[in-house]
Amino acid sequence: DIQMTQSPSSLSASVGDRVTITCRASQSISSYLNWYQQKPGKAPKLLIYAASSLQSGVPSRFSGSGSGTDFTLTISSLQPEDFATYYCQQSYSTRTFGPGTKVDIK
Amino acid sequence: QVTLRESGPALVKPTQTLTLTCTFSGFSLSTSGMCVSWIRQPPGKALEWLALIDWDDDKYYSTSLKTRLTISKDTSKNQVVLTMTNMDPVDTATYYCARGVWGSGFDYWGQGTLVTVSS
Repeated sequence: DIQMTQSPSSLSASVGDRVTITCRASQSISSYLNWYQQKPGKAPKLLIYAASSLQSGVPSRFSGSGSGTDFTLTISSLQPEDFATYYCQQSYSTRTFGPGTKVDIK
Repeated sequence: QVTLRESGPALVKPTQTLTLTCTFSGFSLSTSGMCVSWIRQPPGKALEWLALIDWDDDKYYSTSLKTRLTISKDTSKNQVVLTMTNMDPVDTATYYCARGVWGSGFDYWGQGTLVTVSS
C-alpha cells in the first residue's frame, strides 16, 4: 500500500500569511495527488486535483505543485475562512489519505 | 446538480454487520470514468478511505479492511451499498460516500452519517 505523510501536523498562522503544507508518498505516484479542505462537522471539499489543477470554484490563492513523491499545497494569502484541516490523498493505486494538517489562528 | 446521501443505522452492536447505502443523483455510475467511494472518519481523527466501485463494476478495497468490506452498485436505482462485517467499537465513525472521476479527486460528497458501535 502507498502511505502518505504530511507536515506539519498543525500550524498557527495569521490572516494574510503565506502557508505551505507538504505531502509525501511512500512511492512515486506521478501526479495522482489531490488536496482537500475540511471544516469541523462538514464533509471535505476538493481543492486541487492531479497535483496542480484547481477545482472549479476554488479561489486562486490555493495552488498545488509536485510530482513523484513530494507535493505541496500553498495558500498565498490566508483568509479567515481558510482555517481548517487539509488532507492530501493519492489516487495512483487504490486510494489513501494523509493524516491531515490543521491550520489554526495565531 | 450532483448530490449524494448516506443512509443506514446510527447504532450497531459489536459483531454485527453494517449496511450503508449511498443514494446519488445528477450523474450516472454507468458513465465511463465515474466512481463512488466510501470514506470514514472516527471522531477527531483523520479520513480513512474504505472502498471504491467504478463504472465498469471494478471494485477496490482498503488492504487493512478488505476481508470485512463488500461494495456493490445498483445502477438503475443510483445506489451504492457498502457492507462491513464484524463491527467493533473502533469502527465508530462518520461514514461518507463521495463521487470520483477517474484521474481526479472526490469532487462531491454526502453529508456523512455517524455510526456508533456499542452494546
